Amino acid sequence: NAGVTQTPKFQVLKTGQSMTLQCAQDMNHNSMYWYRQDPGMGLRLIYYSASEGTTDKGEVPNGYNVSRLNKREFSLRLESAAPSQTSVYFCASIRTGGISTEAFFGQGTRLTVV
Amino acid sequence: RKEVEQDPGPFNVPEGATVAFNCTYSNSASQSFFWYRQDCRKEPKLLMSVYSSGNEDGRFTAQLNRASQYISLLIRDSKLSDSATYLCVVLDNYGQNFVFGPGTRLSVLP
Repeated sequence: NAGVTQTPKFQVLKTGQSMTLQCAQDMNHNSMYWYRQDPGMGLRLIYYSASEGTTDKGEVPNGYNVSRLNKREFSLRLESAAPSQTSVYFCASIRTGGISTEAFFGQGTRLTVV
Repeated sequence: RKEVEQDPGPFNVPEGATVAFNCTYSNSASQSFFWYRQDCRKEPKLLMSVYSSGNEDGRFTAQLNRASQYISLLIRDSKLSDSATYLCVVLDNYGQNFVFGPGTRLSVLP
């Protein structure tokens, strides 16, 4: 039972390079999210997708783009990486249902931009 | 003011101690509340949902005070394996956005 699969686990980029973080879930959830986590800041929402075919900006969308390729997959793209994007990125798939709502996270991508 | 604030920590406690974490949130229309646990260099995982009447799961007790916009987590008889960062999480009134607090780190010492 894979749950949420996120790749790659680690990445080092040079300033200005681009890359795509991949995320796939096998739980048939409609909602998927991308967060970044920085020390002392908690998780901050970059973008989310409430359903296939829709995406919306979160708290910190600048410098990122997303694609909800199908119900399973939600990718995050950095077009021109900057050192400020050094962070740990988490993809989450959401089971919605009021108090039963639960976020299931991938293992994270540790990205360093030099 | 941050949407969700937590005790800054870290908390260093001996095994067997009782420890309490506090959390406040700013959006009075928030509808659901949770505690997540995050081990070092791992992804967050749901510890427990927080019900309006308060709820208990073994050694863990969560309380919600909507009037004060305050959530708490109490851990009794703490174990070494409880060492982790505890994240207070609030689901916004649209039911779409999980807002995470910065987390409180707990170290349980032998």
